[in-house]
Amino acid sequence: DAGVIQSPRHEVTEMGQEVTLRCKPISGHDYLFWYRQTMMRGLELLIYFNNNVPIDDSGMPEDRFSAKMPNASFSTLKIQPSEPRDSAVYFCASSSSVQRGTGELFFGEGSRLTVL
Amino acid sequence: AQSVTQLGSHVSVSEGALVLLRCNYSSSVPPYLFWYVQYPNQGLQLLLKYTTGATLVKGINGFEAEFKKSETSFHLTKPSAHMSDAAEYFCAVRKYNTDKLIFGTGTRLQVFP
Repeated sequence: DAGVIQSPRHEVTEMGQEVTLRCKPISGHDYLFWYRQTMMRGLELLIYFNNNVPIDDSGMPEDRFSAKMPNASFSTLKIQPSEPRDSAVYFCASSSSVQRGTGELFFGEGSRLTVL
Repeated sequence: AQSVTQLGSHVSVSEGALVLLRCNYSSSVPPYLFWYVQYPNQGLQLLLKYTTGATLVKGINGFEAEFKKSETSFHLTKPSAHMSDAAEYFCAVRKYNTDKLIFGTGTRLQVFP
C-alpha cells in the first residue's frame, strides 16, 4: 500500500514568492497533520484536519500560512509570501479513527523548503 | 501541560553495545507515549508505543521501552546496537483528549564500528 505522499520533495524559492506544498494521505485515513521541522524548534504541529475539516490551527505561525483539505485524498499548505525563516522540512502525516485511541501517525518523507 | 524531555541531543555507541536513549514526560493524567525513528532524508516511523497495560513495550528492530510512572520516564533501549540503528529518535506524548502528538527535541544516535 502507498504511504503518505508529499510533493515536492525539495523546493528552493526566493523571498516573497508563493510556495505550495502538497500531501496525499493514506487511503481511508481521516486525520491529516502538517508538521514543520527545524533545527532550532524541532517538530512543531502546524494544523490538523479530521474528515477534511480543520480542527486545530493554533500552530500556524502567522497569516502567511494557510492550509486546505478539499477532499479526503489531498491537502495543501501554502505560504504567501515566503520568508527565509520559513526554511524547514514540512511533514504531512495521516492517521485513522481506528488508531485515534493510540495516536499513531504515518509520516510522509517531507518537503524540504529553502527560501533565499 | 503535557510535554516530553529528551536528555542528550547526541548519543554515540559502539556496534554491539547497549543503546539507552532517555525520555522523561510531564503529565497530570496517564500518558500515551511513543518513540519514533527518523532515518536521514525520511519521515518519522513508529518504533513503539505505550497506552495502557504492560509497562515494558517491545517495538520493531529489537527496541523496547519501559514506562516508569514513579520516575516519569519512558527510556528506549536496545541490548546490542547495529550500524543500521544510526538515526534520530523522537519521544512523543499524546496531548490529553486531543489527537495531537507533542514531540521531544530528538536524540541523534551514532553507531561506531
